[in-house]
Formats: sequence, structure tokens, C-alpha cells
Amino acid sequence: DIQMTQSPSSLAASVGDRVTITCLASQDISNYLNWYQQKSGKAPKLLIHDVSKLHTGVPSRFSGSGFGTHFTLTISSLQPEDFATYFCQQFEDPNVTFGGGTRLEIK
Amino acid sequence: QAQLKESGPGLVRPSEALSLICTVSGASISRHYWTWIRQPPGKGLEWIGNHYDSGTIDYNPSLMSRVTISVDTSKNEVSLRLTSVTAADTALYYCARGVEMGGNWFDPWGPGTLVTVSS
Repeated sequence: DIQMTQSPSSLAASVGDRVTITCLASQDISNYLNWYQQKSGKAPKLLIHDVSKLHTGVPSRFSGSGFGTHFTLTISSLQPEDFATYFCQQFEDPNVTFGGGTRLEIK
Repeated sequence: QAQLKESGPGLVRPSEALSLICTVSGASISRHYWTWIRQPPGKGLEWIGNHYDSGTIDYNPSLMSRVTISVDTSKNEVSLRLTSVTAADTALYYCARGVEMGGNWFDPWGPGTLVTVSS
């Protein structure tokens, strides 16, 4: 299995802050990396696919980067609606795996 | 646009089988692939398996001996069956559409259905 390790597991930040979440893969996954946002009590929603491609309707303050084993999700200026849990997911291997999640909380 | 909704019993007894249905509207079952994912309360996401339009099915190796995913094209439904359940199978179960366009991702997801395993 390809292990996906997210850091931090939780993060407290303020509206307007720039935040970065990291996702490390246990082996090279090329650019087969997606990010999902999950708000409390709701199903996850696709945020970014293929490392850096914003899903339809996702604000441009979100961005993704990386290749191989090291990936980041950045929110350039946090908005109140961005406080949620974020998961990375690899699909290089047919045995799909997710990161453990990063809970983004209001400071 | 595709909409998905999971349904099934909310309570299953230990050692019995869990059966869920994902009803799809706004998209044809036969033109996409479909996945089941679960999330224990307060925890992360665990992929269960994918059913491809080719008929190929991939399962999570940790669940492979107990899980079956199937589709009913006449009803536009995707089914999940998990046998010999234990308390560790208590989770929110989601179905989602798989999208393959170079990369692969899951979108959209259903709202999920909570299954509790308890006697």
C-alpha cells in the first residue's frame, strides 16, 4: 500500500491567514494526487485534482503543488467558509489511499 | 449533473452482512465507474472498492475477502455488500462517481449513510 501522511493533523488559523498543508507519499505517485474538503457533518467534496487543477467552482485562493512524493495545498487568504478538514488522496496505485486529514480550525 | 444517495439499514448485528445501495440520478451507471468509501466516526477515509464500466472491480486488499460491489444498470444503482461485520465496520458509508480523465478522482459524493454494528 502507498501510505499518505498529512501534516499537520490540525491547525488553528485566523481569517486572512495563508496556510499550507503537506501530504507525503511513501513512494513516487507522479502527479496522481487529489485534495478533498470536508465540512462538519457533510460528505467530502473534490477541491483539486491532479496536484494543481482546481475543480469547477473552487476559489482561486486554493492552490496545489508538488510531484512525486511531496505535495502541498495552500490557501492564500483564509475565509470563514474554509474552516474544514482536508484530505489528500493518491490514485497512482489501484489500491486508493487517503491521508489522515488536516483539521483547520479558527484561532 | 449526477446526484448520488446511499440507503440501507442503519443497524447491523455482528457477524451478519451489511448491504447498501447507492441510487444514481443525472448520470448513467454504465458510462462511469463507481466507488464506495467509508469513514468511522471522527476518523479518516478508507477506500473500499471501485466498480469500473468495463466490469473490472478493484477492492481494498484489507476488505477483499468480505466485500462485493455490483451494479444494476436497469435501476441505475450501485450496491455494496460486506459480510461478517464487526464493530470495526461501524462507519459512514459513501458512494461516489469515479472520473478518469488522465488522472482519477471521485466526484460527486453522496451524503453518506451511517451504519452501526451492534447487537
